[in-house]
Amino acid sequence: AQRVTQPEKLLSVFKGAPVELKCNYSYSGSPELFWYVQYSRQRLQLLLRHISRESIKGFTADLNKGETSFHLKKPFAQEEDSAMYYCALRANTDKLIFGTGTRLQVFP
Amino acid sequence: DAGITQSPRHKVTETGTPVTLRCHQTENHRYMYWYRQDPGHGLRLIHYSYGVKDTDKGEVSDGYSVSRSKTEDFLLTLESATSSQTSVYFCAMGTGGSGNTIYFGEGSWLTVV
Repeated sequence: AQRVTQPEKLLSVFKGAPVELKCNYSYSGSPELFWYVQYSRQRLQLLLRHISRESIKGFTADLNKGETSFHLKKPFAQEEDSAMYYCALRANTDKLIFGTGTRLQVFP
Repeated sequence: DAGITQSPRHKVTETGTPVTLRCHQTENHRYMYWYRQDPGHGLRLIHYSYGVKDTDKGEVSDGYSVSRSKTEDFLLTLESATSSQTSVYFCAMGTGGSGNTIYFGEGSWLTVV
């Protein structure tokens, strides 16, 4: 079965602290993994995808096939990073399967 | 913005009434999707389309139907709305294929009373 698990519903940190949002997936083939971000009452926006190996807004994520993980990291959190973050898996179809999301709160 | 719009953006309806949400895209993308977003559940796929008149069910399709008569429009219909269908509905579009990036609409807030 294809599944995305985000174990934390809420992650609270202070400004300047490192952030790691966890994402684990279940899929036997070669997955494509994505991180989407949703700011308050806005549309979901693509943050990054593993095939691009890019850094957006200071965030990075590395696909670890051995651990079936795609954790999102940022070394120094900013208040404007406060949002809802969704990990998503594209398996052998063109559907995206989303995790339940993690709300990141960054306190000043 | 991202070439995809939804209407209506907000709607309150009564239990048992039919409701249609419209998604319109201007990017000529092949794939379109309807998701619902609920606390604790994240986003769940309702239906999706891979071309005109080509649609398939997602994981929570019961109580919903869709139609796609034109590339640019993807309609989601609740035949007889129930309170459990109170949710935020997001439409999305994508090109398909490897690296397919999916772009979302702004959401439609539906309340069934």
